[in-house]
Amino acid sequence: EPEVTQTPSHQVTQMGQEVILRCVPISNHLYFYWYRQILGQKVEFLVSFYNNEISEKSEIFDDQFSVERPDGSNFTLKIRSTKLEDSAMYFCASSEIFSGYQETQYFGPGTRLLVL
Amino acid sequence: AQKITQTQPGMFVQEKEAVTLDCTYDTSDPSYGLFWYKQPSSGEMIFLIYQGSYDQQNATEGRYSLNFQKARKSANLVISASQLGDSAMYFCAMREGEGGSEKLVFGKGTKLTVNP
Repeated sequence: EPEVTQTPSHQVTQMGQEVILRCVPISNHLYFYWYRQILGQKVEFLVSFYNNEISEKSEIFDDQFSVERPDGSNFTLKIRSTKLEDSAMYFCASSEIFSGYQETQYFGPGTRLLVL
Repeated sequence: AQKITQTQPGMFVQEKEAVTLDCTYDTSDPSYGLFWYKQPSSGEMIFLIYQGSYDQQNATEGRYSLNFQKARKSANLVISASQLGDSAMYFCAMREGEGGSEKLVFGKGTKLTVNP
């Protein structure tokens, strides 16, 4: 069964460093998403991406964040200058088409980011 | 106001028994979708079941069923014949609007423990 994959599974970085989190969405999916989950808290939406551009972003997704689809398979989240409060689990998700509220988003296993 | 409320931080159930996990939601949009995800201790988010606001029947997927009470704005997950592997966090999520926002809004989750 096709699945979303994410690398690395864990990342430890120093405050102020740049990190790139990578995702390979399900191959025939067209919509891609990033969510984050701070330890013990709810999952929060960051950004959605379609047709090589951001289609929606949350207040959390400020100028230190960027997303890119560098090739036909990868989808990346870059955090330019990490802060302690960026420590969280980051989930990539994808959905096949945008049929509105009915479309199921399938999540990857997550990247656990720890900023020291 | 919280869009998704899960009032049970933790639930316990005996193996082979059924359990209901509560979820209430708040929206003024007539079109919305409700989703349940399972998050085992390993961290990944696994899609379980979907219910659309216009669906006449309650959704079922194997041992999972959704008790959808639209007037009460509740979408409780029922797990029948619990198994030890069902021990996990369970998140209720909502997506609003036909062609509207693409984000899923999550509740805080319920930690289910299945006892042998």
